Amino acid sequence: RKEVEQDPGPFNVPEGATVAFNCTYSNSASQSFFWYRQDCRKEPKLLMSVYSSGNEDGRFTAQLNRASQYISLLIRDSKLSDSATYLCVVTVSGNTPLVFGKGTRLSVIA
Amino acid sequence: EPEVTQTPSHQVTQMGQEVILRCVPISNHLYFYWYRQILGQKVEFLVSFYNNEISEKSEIFDDQFSVERPDGSNFTLKIRSTKLEDSAMYFCASSDSGYNEQFFGPGTRLTVL
Repeated sequence: RKEVEQDPGPFNVPEGATVAFNCTYSNSASQSFFWYRQDCRKEPKLLMSVYSSGNEDGRFTAQLNRASQYISLLIRDSKLSDSATYLCVVTVSGNTPLVFGKGTRLSVIA
Repeated sequence: EPEVTQTPSHQVTQMGQEVILRCVPISNHLYFYWYRQILGQKVEFLVSFYNNEISEKSEIFDDQFSVERPDGSNFTLKIRSTKLEDSAMYFCASSDSGYNEQFFGPGTRLTVL
């Protein structure tokens, strides 16, 4: 059974577009949630943590719905530099391993 | 800004050979991890290490794998007898507490021929 599921994409969007990614997780004991960004052949880098109340960081907004076990990421005003794979990541508690989704690939086109 | 470093960046080896992948975690970090990513697949947890011992390991981390912190700075992953399916990117990560962000190194690409 897949623990963290994401739409693999690719999402091809023009510059300036708004794009949304969704993610579901199967372990109801999950406590911490993150979006990571991974560029081609590079390491994952933390984009933002996801809180129950929802949180925003500039053009990026993350939402969590614990009842539905669903996490989302919204990117507004897409830039060419946003092109990457976005990884949904959950963990049961802070000191347990990160569980990664397979990622959603985004290409922002000029 | 402090960062996790890994060497080598690319390792090519013959099937059945032993390899050692090296990591230097961020200096004040206490929790260390190894993950791997087979090409086109998701990042998978291998092992976590704290207080000089393994704290958790996945089913992937079988007897051919071992980890060591031989001195105060290095953290190594040894694969004893490599198989073709061990070909992957291996990422080291560290965090200062179990509850804070894990910082990833740039990875070692292992190719087993």
